[in-house]
Amino acid sequence: KAGVTQTPRYLIKTRGQQVTLSCSPISGHRSVSWYQQTPGQGLQFLFEYFSETQRNKGNFPGRFSGRQFSNSRSEMNVSTLELGDSALYLCASTEDSAYEQYFGPGTRLTVT
Amino acid sequence: GEDVEQSLFLSVREGDSSVINCTYTDSSSTYLYWYKQEPGAGLQLLTYIFSNMDMKQDQRLTVLLNKKDKHLSLRIADTQTGDSAIYFCAEWVSGAGSYQLTFGKGTKLSVIP
Repeated sequence: KAGVTQTPRYLIKTRGQQVTLSCSPISGHRSVSWYQQTPGQGLQFLFEYFSETQRNKGNFPGRFSGRQFSNSRSEMNVSTLELGDSALYLCASTEDSAYEQYFGPGTRLTVT
Repeated sequence: GEDVEQSLFLSVREGDSSVINCTYTDSSSTYLYWYKQEPGAGLQLLTYIFSNMDMKQDQRLTVLLNKKDKHLSLRIADTQTGDSAIYFCAEWVSGAGSYQLTFGKGTKLSVIP
């Protein structure tokens, strides 16, 4: 099976803009989770989608949002970008009620 | 609350064993994980252990869990230069219809040839 894919791999945006990142899970996986990785805060959970519904949410402001499509592909959106949003954004997929999360290579977002 | 702690750096010689330690605080953790991250890459799931187990072995990897002390360790036998990476300990915590993976800050393993 193909692994988790994320596009784009790299992005440069300026403050105030918005950005959309995409994640395609492993075939058959219906749950997609998103994480933000920064040198200071480490890996932090953003949210999780299952069957097109947000099932879990971390402690991030409302500027961070996501959605999931019927084919389980997921997107996350960050509006009104801030410098502190510069990070590696990782998505992970898993089968429902399974405990093995498989990660994609990430999208490196730089906000200038 | 959940908190996972790891030492930040470990340096070993090629061929020696590496032991990476982790402590966690949430006693309701059901699974505990070790992930590996190489430069510029995502996280690779190495192994995981269910909270009612004491030990799990998988080729060169041995995971030990001391639930009483909330201490998890990963032993890599015969460490190779290709094992140089950042290793993350993580716990799976669920409750009240919510669950998530909580990660430590990662231990950077450097293997000296």
